Amino acid sequence: DTEVTQTPKHLVMGMTNKKSLKCEQHMGHRAMYWYKQKAKKPPELMFVYSYEKLSINESVPSRFSPECPNSSLLNLHLHALQPEDSALYLCASSQEYQQGAGEQYFGPGTRLTVT
Amino acid sequence: GQNIDQPTEMTATEGAIVQINCTYQTSGFNGLFWYQQHAGEAPTFLSYNVLDGLEEKGRFSSFLSRSKGYSYLLLKELQMKDSASYLCAVTNDYKLSFGAGTTVTVRA
Repeated sequence: DTEVTQTPKHLVMGMTNKKSLKCEQHMGHRAMYWYKQKAKKPPELMFVYSYEKLSINESVPSRFSPECPNSSLLNLHLHALQPEDSALYLCASSQEYQQGAGEQYFGPGTRLTVT
Repeated sequence: GQNIDQPTEMTATEGAIVQINCTYQTSGFNGLFWYQQHAGEAPTFLSYNVLDGLEEKGRFSSFLSRSKGYSYLLLKELQMKDSASYLCAVTNDYKLSFGAGTTVTVRA
């Protein structure tokens, strides 16, 4: 199984809502990532978890709150988002987080629209 | 900082060959990846170069010159399904940084 799954596929939320994005992998990978991708732009790293601990936070606003409940799951909790946060949110995983990111496997993404 | 440059768009005919160039200036280097991304889908891994030279994998080949900060992805025998965005990405000890991507359009 070389699949990273993400739910939901699409999400529309208001600026006062609270929602969560979910990501799951069963490849035994110990590093998991959240990326944000705007249209026609490359993915931008948001967070890195290594062995279920937050290793990297790329100065992401606190309205985005990551959580790694176990080695297979990664969540991104959203609260009080702005319309400019509308984007494709990609989850990825790799075997380890060392000497760079290694080969990452990406999920299909959640298309988020903030109204 | 990271600076990764690649052309914005390329067009080629079915059956032809296309070469996508990528130049990079990064703080640290542990390898270079090429990913393919179809519209609205996740990036999928194509190739990884850590040493200078050519890596061949079926219709796709990738080349790296670390001294020149240069890589290319060569797509041979183009098929319509190869129409996609191709992302060059460089990894250092810290993270994977992506170029803006090259949109390749394959015409019949």
